[in-house]
Amino acid sequence: GESVGLHLPTLSVQEGDNSIINCAYSNSASDYFIWYKQESGKGPQFIIDIRSNMDKRQGQRVTVLLNKTVKHLSLQIAATQPGDSAVYFCAETLISSGSARQLTFGSGTQLTVLP
Amino acid sequence: DAMVIQNPRYQVTQFGKPVTLSCSQTLNHNVMYWYQQKSSQAPKLLFHYYDKDFNNEADTPDNFQSRRPNTSFCFLDIRSPGLGDAAMYLCATSRDTSVRGEQYFGPGTRLTVT
Repeated sequence: GESVGLHLPTLSVQEGDNSIINCAYSNSASDYFIWYKQESGKGPQFIIDIRSNMDKRQGQRVTVLLNKTVKHLSLQIAATQPGDSAVYFCAETLISSGSARQLTFGSGTQLTVLP
Repeated sequence: DAMVIQNPRYQVTQFGKPVTLSCSQTLNHNVMYWYQQKSSQAPKLLFHYYDKDFNNEADTPDNFQSRRPNTSFCFLDIRSPGLGDAAMYLCATSRDTSVRGEQYFGPGTRLTVT
């Protein structure tokens, strides 16, 4: 039968406000995490990454926080802009395994920036 | 400049009619991946090539096959598409020696099955 699409978690923020997108990852052994941004009709685009030996990493307008105790990852976007509207996926992997990079994606969050 | 190129961007095929999606890369990466992404869902890995070595995910249906004739190109063949195979198909690449493990995605091919 025809599959039914899932409803993504959504987050709506006013332009100029800060956004916080959360993600719970599944594998406690994962040692590398990436946030991707996917705009409508496009492939995922790398935003920022973090290794498990860190708990915070900052980029341009974005910060990723990692809490390994509760297997939680968050993406903070400062001064959110209309161009930030997209679906955001977290992804986890184990890079110490030496094999090709198998990414496991989270379910995604739809961010909508309101004017 | 485009780094991971997918053609066509939109593909319509009939139920049961074989279809091939293509991906090319200018990054000279050793690893190429194919993902399936259905509406409002995360990308799901189908398989990947590490150079010429093919690695299939355990739950990838036999209906899906792949070919990598050289470093730059990788193809996804769907032998007998069903209605449930309608999805966005994403190609990605990564360097095998990359410490960061970053994957570069193409824009995707949206497949419609009629």
